Amino acid sequence: EDQVTQSPEALRLQEGESSSLNCSYTVSGLRGLFWYRQDPGKGPEFLFTLYSAGEEKEKERLKATLTKKESFLHITAPKPEDSATYLCAVQVSDSWGKFQFGAGTQVVVTP
Amino acid sequence: GAVVSQHPSWVICKSGTSVKIECRSLDFQATTMFWYRQFPKQSLMLMATSNEGSKATYEQGVEKDKFLINHASLTLSTLTVTSAHPEDSSFYICSALGERGANVADTQYFGPGTRLTVL
Repeated sequence: EDQVTQSPEALRLQEGESSSLNCSYTVSGLRGLFWYRQDPGKGPEFLFTLYSAGEEKEKERLKATLTKKESFLHITAPKPEDSATYLCAVQVSDSWGKFQFGAGTQVVVTP
Repeated sequence: GAVVSQHPSWVICKSGTSVKIECRSLDFQATTMFWYRQFPKQSLMLMATSNEGSKATYEQGVEKDKFLINHASLTLSTLTVTSAHPEDSSFYICSALGERGANVADTQYFGPGTRLTVL
């Protein structure tokens, strides 16, 4: 059975304190791994797609990496506006575009 | 690019009434759209997959007669909650699949969500 597990569930950071979020997956065939950011009361906002092990993507203070078993979302020198829930999702082969979502990591960055 | 809208953003209705939620892809065509439900502090729960011109595919445990989905065009899918009851109160989110190609994963772009409250 396909599984996606995110850790930690919650993370509290001081402004400027870099950290990493983990998304581990067990799937039959990975087509892509996606990272989203979700603010309270809003829909998820697309951040990155990673397709193969070794791939990295960057956007401002965020950097996503992918191995054969997990992905990391690194937050460098976070600011309070980086506070959000970060969701990881995988798309498996023959899934007709369906995603398997992790439970998310809630990040709070304090000034 | 890749903007998805939902309307309404929130709705309050009386028990027993029906509510329609629209999901539109504004700057791209989407053969496939998805409908999710999200409870407080929980992740997204897929309800159904909507394909243009064909019947929706519902996830196990989702009542297809209660949650009617219509995908009439390449930019519009609608979710109708029929005979709504308080337990249907939730945050409903749609997504539209942006297609990259047969061998490359397709990205889902999400709408802003609709908060439904049934009194």
